[in-house]
Amino acid sequence: AQKITQTQPGMFVQEKEAVTLDCTYDTSDQSYGLFWYKQPSSGEMIFLIYQGSYDEQNATEGRYSLNFQKARKSANLVISASQLGDSAMYFCAMRDKAGNNRKLIWGLGTSLAVNP
Amino acid sequence: GAGVSQSPSNKVTEKGKDVELRCDPISGHTALYWYRQRLGQGLEFLIYFQGNSAPDKSGLPSDRFSAERTGESVSTLTIQRTQQEDSAVYLCASSFRSGVDTQYFGPGTRLTVL
Repeated sequence: AQKITQTQPGMFVQEKEAVTLDCTYDTSDQSYGLFWYKQPSSGEMIFLIYQGSYDEQNATEGRYSLNFQKARKSANLVISASQLGDSAMYFCAMRDKAGNNRKLIWGLGTSLAVNP
Repeated sequence: GAGVSQSPSNKVTEKGKDVELRCDPISGHTALYWYRQRLGQGLEFLIYFQGNSAPDKSGLPSDRFSAERTGESVSTLTIQRTQQEDSAVYLCASSFRSGVDTQYFGPGTRLTVL
């Protein structure tokens, strides 16, 4: 069965430093997609970054990059130069490609606190 | 509108009452998803609509839950005879049919069943 594991329930980082949030996944599919979302205290789920299983380059979006290690089945999110506004829950998710379904399988999230 | 909208933002109801939650997806998005998020938990898939195809209802927790979608627009999630364990944030997302299928989320409806 497909599964996403986020082993860090909570993380602290100093403002302006980089932080890595861990995500490992389990799937038997050859084609899949991995997503990271941010959920601030307001509750809205904000898309950050996407990595396709066949993408040769690690995805980057501004201060966000995804450290994709396919053999290890890991897709860690790296946030460079942390800002106070980065304090939020961060969720890793994988696209379920069973049949025509495109629902996402979600991890339990990591709570990130950025200290001034 | 520019993003996914949901209404109401908050709903407090008494146990046993029916509730209806609404989602307006991003214009042009053919896929629509409903998720439930209990306090301190990740997202739990409920139901998925894709165009005119039969919806994927595999995540609905009981027959008290149902959802409808009118064409490729508004969707309503209905919970009948609400129970206290239904208390959660209900999130709606939409995506394009093809490509990366990134899901864009609405702000959610926080449901509290007393």
